[in-house]
Amino acid sequence: DGGITQSPKYLFRKEGQNVTLSCEQNLNHDAMYWYRQDPGQGLRLIYYSQIVNDFQKGDIAEGYSVSREKKESFPLTVTSAQKNPTAFYLCASKPGTGIYGYTFGSGTRLTVV
Amino acid sequence: GQQLNQSPQSMFIQEGEDVSMNCTSSSIFNTWLWYKQDPGEGPVLLIALYKAGELTSNGRLTAQFGITRKDSFLNISASIPSDVGIYFCAGTRSYNTDKLIFGTGTRLQVFP
Repeated sequence: DGGITQSPKYLFRKEGQNVTLSCEQNLNHDAMYWYRQDPGQGLRLIYYSQIVNDFQKGDIAEGYSVSREKKESFPLTVTSAQKNPTAFYLCASKPGTGIYGYTFGSGTRLTVV
Repeated sequence: GQQLNQSPQSMFIQEGEDVSMNCTSSSIFNTWLWYKQDPGEGPVLLIALYKAGELTSNGRLTAQFGITRKDSFLNISASIPSDVGIYFCAGTRSYNTDKLIFGTGTRLQVFP
């Protein structure tokens, strides 16, 4: 079955360390997105990519980096520059232009201690 | 970045009751989507609305795209325990963008 896989489900890191969250999709979707979710807030867009080897900053890109070397993969690195990295991170993808077919992964909960 | 205003923030209801929640914006939106998120999971699309005044149902769920294009409503009839979760509205302000703007969520608790 096609879908989006985020791994790991839970991640713990020490303050000051970079950490990379994985997002893989086998839906043949062109566009991929990373969102951050904090308690009591909606999803906020970190980065998105509409085609391979291209990506754009979202609303809260500071302290994060991404790459899109393959169509099916869009890893997110949370760097030490991100001041408050503890959050629930969601990856999404969709086929092409327009909002039809937006599909979310099951998320990674990152805790920085 | 903009977020949509969603209310109520949380609801505690008894099984069998009907539920209403809404989402408002200060600017016009061209599409409205309603998602449900179970604890520790990603959001799942419930209903999508594409034109002002549109009323769409999905089982016990009914959503409407407000005439002013600045709001949307979601109703759940005869709630059941598995309706528990967070409901998010989302939308786009332009037909030329596919970036979703999300509401702050309504947390629903259903008691037997």
